[in-house]
Amino acid sequence: DVKVTQSSRYLVKRTGEKVFLECVQDMDHENMFWYRQDPGLGLRLIYFSYDVKMKEKGDIPEGYSVSREKKERFSLILESASTNQTSMYLCASSLSQARGGYTFGSGTRLTVV
Amino acid sequence: AQKVTQAQTEISVVEKEDVTLDCVYETRDTTYYLFWYKQPPSGELVFLIRRNSFDEQNEISGRYSWNFQKSTSSFNFTITASQVVDSAVYFCALSEANRDDKIIFGKGTRLHILP
Repeated sequence: DVKVTQSSRYLVKRTGEKVFLECVQDMDHENMFWYRQDPGLGLRLIYFSYDVKMKEKGDIPEGYSVSREKKERFSLILESASTNQTSMYLCASSLSQARGGYTFGSGTRLTVV
Repeated sequence: AQKVTQAQTEISVVEKEDVTLDCVYETRDTTYYLFWYKQPPSGELVFLIRRNSFDEQNEISGRYSWNFQKSTSSFNFTITASQVVDSAVYFCALSEANRDDKIIFGKGTRLHILP
């Protein structure tokens, strides 16, 4: 069964910490995405990547960076976590030209205290 | 600019009732794609359907059906004879053809099916 795996389901971090959220897919997908989901705001795109070592800013990239050193792994980095980054983070992947046929991970609920 | 509006924030219906989730979209492109995703309590979004802008045929899949009307920029989703397992948050989404695989989601509709 094809999968997108997010390393942690729940995470609690302190303000100012550097936080890594990991996402791995086993489907050889070219495209990978990071979204955050907040009540009343839906899903908002943070960063995405169409290829290894390639990244593009989404709609809300401030305070985040990403890394894609290998095709199957796409990491989201919070350089200095803040309380307003408390959220559900969702990773997704898709084939090139899949036209939105994303496969999502189960999400990481991050709480910054 | 592209935009997806799901005006219904939350809906509650009694099991076996039919329910329609509304979705209105905005785009300047003539070629685009529309989607519905389901997010059950487990949290993982599940892809339900994709429709391209040149195909206005309605689609039925079991108890699920979708009504795409370009004239009103709507892509509504109906669940017939609802079941408790249909309780979830449902997202409508849009992708423009010239923006590769990037899609924009609506804010979602939380559906409660009451036993």
